[in-house]
Amino acid sequence: EVELVQSGTVVKKPGESLRIACTGSGYRFTGYWIGWVRQMPGKGLEWMGIIYPGDSDTRYNPSFEGQVTISADKSISTAYLHWKSLNASDSAMYYCARQSAGDDVGDCFSIWGQGTLVTVSS
Amino acid sequence: DIVMTQSPDSLAVSLGERATISCKSSQSVLYSSNNKNYLAWYQQKPRQPPKLLIYWASTRESGVPDRFRGSGSGTDFTLTISSLQAEDVAVYYCQQYYRTPQTFGQGTKLEIK
Repeated sequence: EVELVQSGTVVKKPGESLRIACTGSGYRFTGYWIGWVRQMPGKGLEWMGIIYPGDSDTRYNPSFEGQVTISADKSISTAYLHWKSLNASDSAMYYCARQSAGDDVGDCFSIWGQGTLVTVSS
Repeated sequence: DIVMTQSPDSLAVSLGERATISCKSSQSVLYSSNNKNYLAWYQQKPRQPPKLLIYWASTRESGVPDRFRGSGSGTDFTLTISSLQAEDVAVYYCQQYYRTPQTFGQGTKLEIK
């Protein structure tokens, strides 16, 4: 079964760093783009960026570039979303999602992780 | 960025009746070289991740009931649920994947009347 499993709920303070994880199984991890999507409380979906674990080619939404870093460790089939310094506005649910059909960046998300809830509060 | 605009923002439909959601893109998402519309529809139920329903504007994902139908081309798209069931209560999003950054519509909340 193809599956993405995300790391658990996190509570952090403003200014702290954070890395959340998304581990893929049941498929060739290096062969599909994985993206990150933010959903703020009660709001819609925002595409943050995407990475191709095969060669670490990464594309960012300009709205998020410089605010987060997307990376992947293909040796353990895991993609990451990293913040150097959190602020309260980063509080949201974050989903990872795998594109449907291989190495074309122009594709939709057919497999989703369960989400990681991040709360940033002093 | 390509802006995706859905209408309406919310919709109440009686069980067994038709529900129709519109999605318009600020630029065409039809790729002329393969004649494909880079447009997907997702369903999100409370406390769940989104679920892919439709891709290439009109292709149903495996396992999606045939009461869900996607149509349209270029900049104007529609998701139709032919006979609303109780389990269809959700928020529905369109997404363009023609160009990065990929963008979603703001969502349409579908409820039972």
